[in-house]
Amino acid sequence: DAGVTQSPTHLIKTRGQQVTLRCSPKSGHDTVSWYQQALGQGPQFIFQYYEEEERQRGNFPDRFSGHQFPNYSSELNVNALLLGDSALYLCASSLVSSGGSNEQFFGPGTRLTVL
Amino acid sequence: GESVGLHLPTLSVQEGDNSIINCAYSNSASDYFIWYKQESGKGPQFIIDIRSNMDKRQGQRVTVLLNKTVKHLSLQIAATQPGDSAVYFCAENISPSISSGSARQLTFGSGTQLTVLP
Repeated sequence: DAGVTQSPTHLIKTRGQQVTLRCSPKSGHDTVSWYQQALGQGPQFIFQYYEEEERQRGNFPDRFSGHQFPNYSSELNVNALLLGDSALYLCASSLVSSGGSNEQFFGPGTRLTVL
Repeated sequence: GESVGLHLPTLSVQEGDNSIINCAYSNSASDYFIWYKQESGKGPQFIIDIRSNMDKRQGQRVTVLLNKTVKHLSLQIAATQPGDSAVYFCAENISPSISSGSARQLTFGSGTQLTVLP
């Protein structure tokens, strides 16, 4: 049973560029959440996708956008990259179901460096 | 704004001793709390969770204590092993309504680096 997978593992971009990160959820999961983790900090919630719609959003600008596909995989897009966007981007999957704890399983992350 | 924070950024313990990692939260509406372990180069790994209607929950070598009066959460690790060395995060959450079609949105603290000394 494959867990959460993310690609690429590492990425280097320059300021002003755009980036797309990808996530495949754990088998059987239908919800994907994205988090940004700056060095030495805890993860910060960006947004969450369920049924191909953005359901919740954290305090991130519109430069951060996403998408969920019918197979539940998801993309995170960041436009007009800033140096401060350098971070580990984590994807977490879960299952929206009644009575569940909605335990979130995290992928290994994509390390984005903006130069 | 509401936040979850940790008291100590680093903790060093001798192998075999017990470890206690503390966490303070400020959102009184939070009803679910989770501890995660994050090893270098990896994503956070679920350790144990607790709901607000409980004050203690035990797992294998780990115990989580919740004190809602002072909004404090702790993780106790018994007989700490070298493999326990990692950053530990507490996270809190307000349960979403089922009708919202949403899963949990976690708020994480800044983490505690646990180092196990030989």
